Amino acid sequence: DAKTTQPTSMDCAEGRAANLPCNHSTISGNEYVYWYRQIHSQGPQYIIHGLKNNETNEMASLIITEDRKSSTLILPHATLRDTAVYYCIGGAGGTSYGKLTFGQGTILTVHP
Amino acid sequence: NAGVTQTPKFRILKIGQSMTLQCTQDMNHNYMYWYRQDPGMGLKLIYYSVGAGITDKGEVPNGYNVSRSTTEDFPLRLELAAPSQTSVYFCASSYLASEAFFGQGTRLTVV
Repeated sequence: DAKTTQPTSMDCAEGRAANLPCNHSTISGNEYVYWYRQIHSQGPQYIIHGLKNNETNEMASLIITEDRKSSTLILPHATLRDTAVYYCIGGAGGTSYGKLTFGQGTILTVHP
Repeated sequence: NAGVTQTPKFRILKIGQSMTLQCTQDMNHNYMYWYRQDPGMGLKLIYYSVGAGITDKGEVPNGYNVSRSTTEDFPLRLELAAPSQTSVYFCASSYLASEAFFGQGTRLTVV
């Protein structure tokens, strides 16, 4: 499964877009990119995933570079409730099929 | 729709005791996972299963055992509990390579 690199922490003003980057330069062609978040000590919550194309759902947008070595999760209008740890996961495909491995994540703090 | 249910929610064990953390899902998901999360740290994969009768080790399998006799259940067994196993344990399930649903966690303290 692909190793991912994320910034340790980021800040964002409420109402502004939060752009969270992730590097996954070792990702293979059939491995998905997943994003999850964990609010306080709750179980992680799925946000979005993609393979090659950009994806959008009711929570966020996922922009994957053409070479698939990095991606950006976009929360278009961040709220205080979006303060959480955000995890980028590269994998669960190919030889790592079914193996979701979390890294350290990015602590996003949304402030008023 | 219950989703992923973990029991118990809290448990205190003495060193050397054994216990089973229960996890059940009602979504007919093929994939199930066990993670542990130490204070202030990320999640570490202990074991995972891609279907009934199939299990595989994750990043930190030592001191744990699993079984997957049915699609719904994926119990995690701790033998000879040690203080280093004090953690929050999360179970999750997913349908193939899609979104994983997590339980609310089991908070285990070994004293």
